[in-house]
Amino acid sequence: EAAVTQSPRNKVTVTGGNVTLSCRQTNSHNYMYWYRQDTGHGLRLIHYSYGAGNLQIGDVPDGYKATRTTQEDFFLLLELASPSQTSLYFCASSDLGAEDTQYFGPGTRLLVL
Amino acid sequence: GDSVTQTEGLVTLTKGLPVMLNCTYQTTYSPFLFWYVQHLNEAPKLLLKSSTDNKRTEHQGFYATLHKSSSSFHLQKSSVQLSDSALYFCALSADASSGSWQLIFGSGTQLTVMP
Repeated sequence: EAAVTQSPRNKVTVTGGNVTLSCRQTNSHNYMYWYRQDTGHGLRLIHYSYGAGNLQIGDVPDGYKATRTTQEDFFLLLELASPSQTSLYFCASSDLGAEDTQYFGPGTRLLVL
Repeated sequence: GDSVTQTEGLVTLTKGLPVMLNCTYQTTYSPFLFWYVQHLNEAPKLLLKSSTDNKRTEHQGFYATLHKSSSSFHLQKSSVQLSDSALYFCALSADASSGSWQLIFGSGTQLTVMP
């Protein structure tokens, strides 16, 4: 089964702080995704990428930047964190696009005070 | 735009009873539907998926049939177990030929199975 890891697993920061969430997948998948999960909203796509150097905007990109440095690594950056960004963040990967299974990491719980 | 609707936010059942979790979708393209399951403090995992009209798809005792005529992909199980307690997400992906290839998730249904 595909392996997706995330770090850190938990993070606390203050309003206005900088946060970087890391994701690594070891199955040479082409696509990687960042989601946030909030009660009542399900999973919402923030950014995604279909290869190193590529970045696509998802449904809720405001306040977030992302960068895909290699096939394996995908980062989510919050440069001026706000309390509204307190959430559970999941990274996922898939080999193909629309119809392919996505494999999720364990999640990062972020609290912005 | 494309959308997925899960009407029940919370379903509570007694062990051994049947369950149906509703999922309807809206898209102008050829749909590909998924059910993901998320157990407490775990990552979502694929349960089953389908793009074939009127064909039943099964996995781990759960089953669903994509009905394009009614835009539905309801998840069913004939006899729920305590271990089925989890958050269930329905998700839609439009055909890659449309140029849209992201998953759109419903808001989720929390299934709680009581002894």
